[in-house]
Amino acid sequence: AQSVTQLDSHVSVSEGTPVLLRCNYSSSYSPSLFWYVQHPNKGLQLLLKYTSAATLVKGINGFEAEFKKSETSFHLTKPSAHMSDAAEYFCVHEDSSYKLIFGSGTRLLVRP
Amino acid sequence: ETGVTQSPTHLIKTRGQQVTLRCSSQSGHNTVSWYQQALGQGPQFIFQYYREEENGRGNFPPRFSGLQFPNYSSELNVNALELDDSALYLCASSWAQGPNEQFFGPGTRLTVL
Repeated sequence: AQSVTQLDSHVSVSEGTPVLLRCNYSSSYSPSLFWYVQHPNKGLQLLLKYTSAATLVKGINGFEAEFKKSETSFHLTKPSAHMSDAAEYFCVHEDSSYKLIFGSGTRLLVRP
Repeated sequence: ETGVTQSPTHLIKTRGQQVTLRCSSQSGHNTVSWYQQALGQGPQFIFQYYREEENGRGNFPPRFSGLQFPNYSSELNVNALELDDSALYLCASSWAQGPNEQFFGPGTRLTVL
């Protein structure tokens, strides 16, 4: 069965420092993987998606993620955190019937 | 271009009641998916509708049902509400089936007392 595991429930960084949100996936085929962000009282917004093209995927707001098949990972990074990045982030796997399977989420806290 | 909208924003019901949640898909989208997000968890897929037909269902009991209308808007109905049904219900629309981006609405917060 396809699944995603987000390794940290909370990540706290200082403004201006790098962000790393970790995600491992399990899939029996070449997966489609996404990162979504959820700000309080707002809908989920797509940050980026991997669909078997380039392994390094660039998204919005300076985020990027690297697909590593050997490690079954799809970690999300950003070189420099901004206060507005504080939110809940979800790693998402799309199954063979195009249903989205969400991880449990990582809450990113950004300290001033 | 109008995004995905959901109504109502918040809803309070008592155990055993029935509830209907509504979703208007983004212009041009013909596929609607519904998700349940319990507090502190990631969203879980309930079901998807494509051209007014159910097209895939997650691990939810039959008291969760839905409809899609000719204009591609959708309803989620939940009968015999239970306390554990308290959650944020999210609707997402997309164009056709397949690996197309799903656009999410802001959700309906349902509280069951």
